[in-house]
Amino acid sequence: VRLVESGGGLVQPGGSLRLSCVASGFTVSSNYMNWVRQAPGKGLEWVSVIYRAGGTYYADSVQDRFTISRDLSKNTVFLQLDSLRAEDTAVYYCARSATDGRPAPLDYWGQGTLVTVSS
Amino acid sequence: DIVLTQSPVTLSLSPGERATLSCRASQNVNSVFLAWYQQKPGQAPRLLIYGTSIRATGIPDRFSGSGSGTDFTLTISGLEPEDFAVYYCQQYDTSVYTFGQGTKLEIK
Repeated sequence: VRLVESGGGLVQPGGSLRLSCVASGFTVSSNYMNWVRQAPGKGLEWVSVIYRAGGTYYADSVQDRFTISRDLSKNTVFLQLDSLRAEDTAVYYCARSATDGRPAPLDYWGQGTLVTVSS
Repeated sequence: DIVLTQSPVTLSLSPGERATLSCRASQNVNSVFLAWYQQKPGQAPRLLIYGTSIRATGIPDRFSGSGSGTDFTLTISGLEPEDFAVYYCQQYDTSVYTFGQGTKLEIK
């Protein structure tokens, strides 16, 4: 099982980025896939999840600004970040929940990709 | 959303000692949906415990979890040098998951 994130970088406030998470060793369609972020020197903040059936949920802090999606043909999960703010600066991790149909813990994590929002 | 409050914020102990970390929820959490993670500097978090008390694959038995309702505990018996890290609890009982703010376990 492996998760590899990419797409981070420096962006101005109000800008956009799209993060990618390529999965190998399992299929994203059979699992819940999450994004979790960590601001510099701070704790973990859960951001979003996409369920097996495609349903999505978001933390209040990113609702209506971020969008999680997936491309099953590429076994890849995405996080579209719009209307970025300085407080969105963080390492963004992709993580799997190996569900059996019920919610499950985050058992595999990628190495993270850094998003910096600054002018 | 369920708020998880961890205590203490920092715990200073020596190798060989027993660590007790607390996680308190703002409302009842189904114990099936409570997990603990360990994070070391520069690394991604690692799943330690799920379902309140089930150790993840490869986790040594000095790590144990307990609790129910709004109060959960992670216990590390006989601290090893590699156990000094930050620990997070997490609930996945609701559609919006949440983490606690973390407890830093440091060497005394």
